[in-house]
Parts: sequence; C-alpha cells; structure tokens
Amino acid sequence: AQSVTQLGSHVSVSEGALVLLRCNYSSSVPPYLFWYVQYPNQGLQLLLKYTTGATLVKGINGFEAEFKKSETSFHLTKPSAHMSDAAEYFCAVSEPNQAGTALIFGKGTTLSVSS
Amino acid sequence: GAVVSQHPSWVICKSGTSVKIECRSLDFQATTMFWYRQFPKQSLMLMATSNEGSKATYEQGVEKDKFLINHASLTLSTLTVTSAHPEDSSFYICSARRENIQYFGAGTRLSVL
Repeated sequence: AQSVTQLGSHVSVSEGALVLLRCNYSSSVPPYLFWYVQYPNQGLQLLLKYTTGATLVKGINGFEAEFKKSETSFHLTKPSAHMSDAAEYFCAVSEPNQAGTALIFGKGTTLSVSS
Repeated sequence: GAVVSQHPSWVICKSGTSVKIECRSLDFQATTMFWYRQFPKQSLMLMATSNEGSKATYEQGVEKDKFLINHASLTLSTLTVTSAHPEDSSFYICSARRENIQYFGAGTRLSVL
C-alpha cells in the first residue's frame, strides 16, 4: 500500500531563511503528488501538485517542489520564509488516473517562523 | 479555482443527538467526494468515499450506521453523525475531486457535550 513519510514533525526557521519540508513516498509507480497547507481551524489549501511533465513545480505563495523519481521524494521549498507561512503542511499522494482514489496523507509538518 | 463549501463550520450538540454536515462543490460537479476526520495535531484520516447515486465506501473501522453519508446530487454530499457521543468530537473535513485534484472544504468542528 502507498505510504507517505514527512521527515520532521516540526520545523522552525527564522524569517527570511530557507524553508525545506521533506516528503518521501513509497511506490514503484510514480503517483500524483500534492502539498497542502492548513491554517488553524481551517480546511486544506492546495499549494502545488505534480502529475506529469516538468519535475520542478511552482505553487502559490512562493513555494515550489521538485519530484525526484530516483529518490522517491517531493520536498517542498521556499527561498525566504515569511511569518505568514507558519502553518501545518501536508504531503499527499494519489494513484494516477484512478477516478475516485482518495489521497494518502503524510502526518504533517508544523512550520514555525520566528522574527 | 474550484470551491468547496462546508457547513456548518462549528456545531455543538448534546450527547445522543444527530448532526448533519453538508459539503457542496460550488462551481463544478463532483461525482466523488471524500470525508476525512482529523484529531488535534494529527493528519487526516479518510472515513469514506462518497459516490453520487450510489452507496458510500467506508474505510475499515468506520461505522457506516453511525456516520451516514448521502451523495444525492453532483454538487452535494452530506455526513450525518447519528447518536453523537463525546468521542465523536473532532474536526471533519470534506473534499471534492475534480480532474485528479481534491479541493477541500473549510472543515466542521463538532463538539459533543
């Protein structure tokens, strides 16, 4: 069965510093990959996704992620953290081209940004 | 972009009562919607997959008689928590699938007294 591992349940950075949130998946067939952000008491907002094509994908709020098949990874980065980036981040995968397939989520990473 | 509306955002109820949560796709049709449950500081746990016009598919360990799901139209799925008890208190989130992307509602916080 598919699984998603997010290394580090809590990441702390200073404002302006690089943000790196790690995500690895377990699948011999590259799945569709997603990063979602959740602010307190809110639903999930899609940051970016990878389905096919270019392996470096850009999302909202200056975030980007690179799909590396050889490493089965899809790490999320942002060059310069902002206070408003503090939130919970979830990496998720789904089986490609299978209608009705639910997302499998990682356990999430809490990002804290200090001034 | 695709918008999913979830209502209510917060509900408090007495133990033994039933609560209905609505999930609507506002600007697209969704043949498949999903219901998740999230405990504090934890990830989302899939409860069931809701399919328009047919019975929902429940994940192992989820009581289908307790969590009733109805997907009567292409834009609306409902989750009814029947005879709610304090242990059902949680954050419930729905999502609707559109072109291989899931769009999430804002969630419903259920508190059972």
